[in-house]
Amino acid sequence: EAAVTQSPRSKVAVTGGKVTLSCHQTNNHDYMYWYRQDTGHGLRLIHYSYVADSTEKGDIPDGYKASRPSQENFSLILELASLSQTAVYFCASSDPYEQYFGPGTRLTVL
Amino acid sequence: GDSVTQTEGLVTLTEGLPVMLNCTYQTIYSNPFLFWYVQHLNESPRLLLKSFTDNKRTEHQGFHATLHKSSSSFHLQKSSAQLSDSALYYCASTGGYKVVFGSGTRLLVSP
Repeated sequence: EAAVTQSPRSKVAVTGGKVTLSCHQTNNHDYMYWYRQDTGHGLRLIHYSYVADSTEKGDIPDGYKASRPSQENFSLILELASLSQTAVYFCASSDPYEQYFGPGTRLTVL
Repeated sequence: GDSVTQTEGLVTLTEGLPVMLNCTYQTIYSNPFLFWYVQHLNESPRLLLKSFTDNKRTEHQGFHATLHKSSSSFHLQKSSAQLSDSALYYCASTGGYKVVFGSGTRLLVSP
């Protein structure tokens, strides 16, 4: 019974298209995060949220939007996908210190 | 702002040799939490160790680390590397809800 799930697990998108990545957690955590992982850059924070209906910008928010409609759900939206957004995306929830990661979504933008 | 530095991008070892992965941090918080996360191939990161207490050794799954606030360090060690330790290791710090990750150290253990 995975506590943080992500969908889809992989996606191929076209340049300029809209992409929505979804995350669901059953940890009852208030804090949720979106990271991207690229070789050589480690994990970089895109957006985070500490309460429903509110999101905050992380370190690399440009080109991304986030939505937190409920405590359990947190989405990452790429309005106009670009080649440079090809990466693995991880969602996480926290307690608020320890991070619990989802399985990741591999996004390829062509 | 806060930062975490992992100086080695890649560490290669022979099985049975000791492991030491370096981590130093800068933070505005006087009482930060420090973490080591491990990520095996095609998996997501998971917590390996965490510490909040100065000069106290923390151990888990054969790995250990000691938070030294005087030197802002939290190095990861293991006495004898195993093939299954091959993975990507992230050091991270937080004083609140935002965690700062280092760039990661890939550990490759060979027979």
